[in-house]
Formats: sequence, structure tokens, C-alpha cells
Amino acid sequence: QVTLRESGPALVKPTQTLTLTCTFSGFSLSTSGMCVTWVRQPPGKALEWLALIDWDDNKYYSTSLKTRLTISKDTSKNQVVLTMTNMDPVDTATYYCARTYYGSGMDYWGQGTLVTVSS
Amino acid sequence: DVVMTQSPLSLPVTLGQPASISCRSSQSLVYIDGNTYLNWFQQRPGQSPRRLIYKVSNRASGVPDRFSGSGSGTDFTLKISRVEAEDVGVYYCMQHTHWPWTFGQGTKVEIK
Repeated sequence: QVTLRESGPALVKPTQTLTLTCTFSGFSLSTSGMCVTWVRQPPGKALEWLALIDWDDNKYYSTSLKTRLTISKDTSKNQVVLTMTNMDPVDTATYYCARTYYGSGMDYWGQGTLVTVSS
Repeated sequence: DVVMTQSPLSLPVTLGQPASISCRSSQSLVYIDGNTYLNWFQQRPGQSPRRLIYKVSNRASGVPDRFSGSGSGTDFTLKISRVEAEDVGVYYCMQHTHWPWTFGQGTKVEIK
């Protein structure tokens, strides 16, 4: 049974760095072909793809956010961490992580975590 | 970046009637391996997205057969043969042929 759970602060102040953790079970990020993706969704708005990390530690980022994002993995803990620097109120969103395959996209999603950026 | 454009953005439908959503990409989604990496997701109110279709026309596990995907190159369509009440939500296309991956703006399906 595949599950993913996002965790992190519900509230951050402008200019701070956000650190989110995706803890998963039911699969291993050391398995060839396996990836984890982060996606966000501002309230009432569309999904936005943020970043992906694969089993071989290849990393890919959103063009508009790549200077602010870092994705990493801890295979032994079954975790993927996303950091986003210099947070702004426009970054207020629900952040999702999802199990991903290159050939078929995201198949299992976490429930999401709402992050509000406010002073 | 590849721009994904969906239409319509809002789709009122009658229960039991068909529905169709269009998704167009700003460049071809055919990859060098010959596959086209285009997914459709459903997001019901208050829920996480759920994958419906992968590689244009392949239904994901557990997805009812009233959902179908078609298209090629830059033009793609998601069809619901007979809309049910549980189909209310927002539908997104997403390409994963080119980096970075990108979503469409979403199409909100509601019951008339």
C-alpha cells in the first residue's frame, strides 16, 4: 500500500525559508525508475509543478522557481525534502508530493499541506 | 516552457450527458521514444488530484470506463461518456514530455 504524507510549518513569515518533508511508504526511491514530485496549488487556483527527484538523484525544477528551490532525498528514511527560500505571500498554497514514474506521471498523491506566508 | 491551454474553463453538464474537455500544447508532446506523455487528473472538491489517464489514452487503475482520452501531437481531449454526480470537480491536463513538466489551467465541471 503506497502512502505519502507532507509535513512542515503551516505558517511562515515573508523572506523565510520553507522546508517541507514528504514521508512515504510502500515503495523505495532506490528502485530504478522511481521518482517523487512536488506540486503546489494556491487557494482556488490551478496546480503548479515544482520539482522532481529520481532514484539516481537527478533533479529537475520549475523554470520560474529554480533559483529558490532545492529538492533532496534520504532513501534510508523514505523521505524527500523540498526547500524554498525567500518566501512571499504569493507562495501561500497547498503543497503536494506524489510518487512518479517518468513513463506514466504521478500515480499516488499525499493529502497536501497548506502553507500560509504572512507576517 | 510548454504552455498547456485547456478549454472550456467551466463546463456545466447535465447528469447522464457527455462532456468533453480540450487540452492543447504549445509544442508537440511526442518524445524521442515515440511516446506522448500527456496525463489527465481529476480533483474533486477538497481532495488531492487523482490520475485518470496516462500517455494520452491509458486509463489508470480503478478509473471508470466512461472516462476516455484521445489525441496526438498538440491536441488532446478528455471525454466523459455519461456524467455522474461524482464527476464534479476540476480536471487538469499535464505534459511530462518536456522539462519542466506543466499543467493546464484546469476545467471546472459542474452539474447544471
